Amino acid sequence: AQTVTQSQPEMSVQEAETVTLSCTYDTSESDYYLFWYKQPPSRQMILVIRQEAYKQQNATENRFSVNFQKAAKSFSLKISDSQLGDAAMYFCAYYTSGTYKYIFGTGTRLKVLA
Amino acid sequence: KAGVTQTPRYLIKTRGQQVTLSCSPISGHRSVSWYQQTPGQGLQFLFEYFSETQRNKGNFPGRFSGRQFSNSRSEMNVSTLELGDSALYLCASSWGQGSYTFGSGTRLTVV
Repeated sequence: AQTVTQSQPEMSVQEAETVTLSCTYDTSESDYYLFWYKQPPSRQMILVIRQEAYKQQNATENRFSVNFQKAAKSFSLKISDSQLGDAAMYFCAYYTSGTYKYIFGTGTRLKVLA
Repeated sequence: KAGVTQTPRYLIKTRGQQVTLSCSPISGHRSVSWYQQTPGQGLQFLFEYFSETQRNKGNFPGRFSGRQFSNSRSEMNVSTLELGDSALYLCASSWGQGSYTFGSGTRLTVV
């Protein structure tokens, strides 16, 4: 069975600094997708970034980038130039075609210090 | 473009009652999924519908059911509510494969 692990329950970062959130997963599939979602206090899960497993190039969205290591089954999120609005719960999620469901990690609470 | 709309936003019910939650997906999205979020269990998949057909179901008792209408709107129903059903219920929609957009959820409290 597929699993997703986020080993950092909480992280802190100074405003304007860089922080990396870790995620590892376990799967026997070769074709899948990985996501990072952000959940602020408003409760809505917001898609931050998406990575297709068949793509070797790491995905980037503005200040957000990932380090995707397929062999190591690692998918970390780097947030550059952290802003107060980045403070939220961040969830790593795994998806494979045919299951039609996400498997989420337990989340990392990110605090941004002014 | 309107997002995923969930109603109601908050709900308080008594043990033993039943509840129906509603989800309107983004226009054009035919896949709708439901998740339960609790502090203890995290985010757990309930079920997914595509064009009115349930394609997958999570490990929840039969008290949890859902359906999807021809306009892609979806409802989930929980019968004989238990205290442990208190949770944030999130709905998400997609055109069909991954990259789901989530609603703001319905916070259900069972007393």
